[in-house]
Amino acid sequence: DAGVIQSPRHEVTEMGQEVTLRCKPISGHDYLFWYRQTMMRGLELLIYFNNNVPIDDSGMPEDRFSAKMPNASFSTLKIQPSEPRDSAVYFCASTPGGEVYTGELFFGEGSRLTVL
Amino acid sequence: GQNIDQPTEMTATEGAIVQINCTYQTSGFNGLFWYQQHAGEAPTFLSYNVLDGLEEKGRFSSFLSRSKGYSYLLLKELQMKDSASYLCAALDSNYQLIWGAGTKLIIKP
Repeated sequence: DAGVIQSPRHEVTEMGQEVTLRCKPISGHDYLFWYRQTMMRGLELLIYFNNNVPIDDSGMPEDRFSAKMPNASFSTLKIQPSEPRDSAVYFCASTPGGEVYTGELFFGEGSRLTVL
Repeated sequence: GQNIDQPTEMTATEGAIVQINCTYQTSGFNGLFWYQQHAGEAPTFLSYNVLDGLEEKGRFSSFLSRSKGYSYLLLKELQMKDSASYLCAALDSNYQLIWGAGTKLIIKP
């Protein structure tokens, strides 16, 4: 079975540009998470979905960030406009589960974003 | 507030044993996870403890004491490929994962 698939793997853009990161979770997984990782702040949860519905977006830094999950096999994280401080590795993760999840997350390989 | 503490960095010798400690303070508790993350790669699941005691899985073991809010990851017969960051994460009462900053383990020959 394919794991969590993220694209692009690397993105270099200029400040003010729109960035769209994409994720395909593992088939059959009910939960999808977007994380951001930096040296300074470690792993930060941005938002997570259960059955395509956003459950907790309290980690989204500001209105410049938005995430969607139009169906069970696809999610996007958009940053508009991007700023240099958004430079980080963005991970998507999924996990099976019913009403709650067990915490064992399957991570994609990440999208490394550099905003100049 | 909720908090996870683990050492920033540890160094050990190939073939030796190392113990990485983690203390947690969370609103409720539904388990403790350890993940391994090699440089430039994604975290991968290592272990899950919800009951007190030691869980052994090959060269890796994980221990939990719920009363003390304490866990450790024990790595035996260290190999160079064990050089990585080890992330401790606790699942709180709302099933939110609270992550530690990670312990960078350096293995020397």
